[in-house]
Amino acid sequence: EAGVTQFPSHSVIEKGQTVTLRCDPISGHDNLYWYRRVMGKEIKFLLHFVKESKQDESGMPNNRFLAERTGGTYSTLKVQPAELEDSGVYFCASSPGSLTSGYADTQYFGPGTRLTVL
Amino acid sequence: AQSVTQLDSHVSVSEGTPVLLRCNYSSSYSPSLFWYVQHPNKGLQLLLKYTSAATLVKGINGFEAEFKKSETSFHLTKPSAHMSDAAEYFCVVRIFDMRFGAGTRLTVKP
Repeated sequence: EAGVTQFPSHSVIEKGQTVTLRCDPISGHDNLYWYRRVMGKEIKFLLHFVKESKQDESGMPNNRFLAERTGGTYSTLKVQPAELEDSGVYFCASSPGSLTSGYADTQYFGPGTRLTVL
Repeated sequence: AQSVTQLDSHVSVSEGTPVLLRCNYSSSYSPSLFWYVQHPNKGLQLLLKYTSAATLVKGINGFEAEFKKSETSFHLTKPSAHMSDAAEYFCVVRIFDMRFGAGTRLTVKP
């Protein structure tokens, strides 16, 4: 079974440019999460999709970030325009989601996209 | 509200000696607790999780963790370190969303 994949693995852009990160969850997983780790800080939650709907986007830093999950499969996270403080590693995770496991549902993580904004 | 503190940013052990990675949590409700590991250029991999069943949780690769409510701790241990255990380890507490610790980087010396 393929795991969570993310593309690209690295991205280097200049301040003001636009970048789009992609996440392909494990097939059949309804839940998809985005996280970010800024250098030297802990991994922080950005948002949560259930199928194509945003369940929780309380962690999104500002309106320069736009996440979509059309059709409930892969997801994209667009940063426009990028700022220096957006540099970090962006992780995606997915989980099957079930009524029995609830919030103990295991999340499976991708390898991350390392974003550098110059 | 919930939070998690990993007490050591770096831990160094010799191969074959025990590993102890410390984690304290704070939570208003009964949490789920997880330990994840990240090897270089890899995704975070679940080592083990506690979900209010047995307080001693066994995970993969010989790791285990004990949930101690009175001490609000969930320390990760392994009796004998292997070179392949060198990685970064994350303690996570979850009520609704996942709250990560800052990570502990484990170095294993030959």
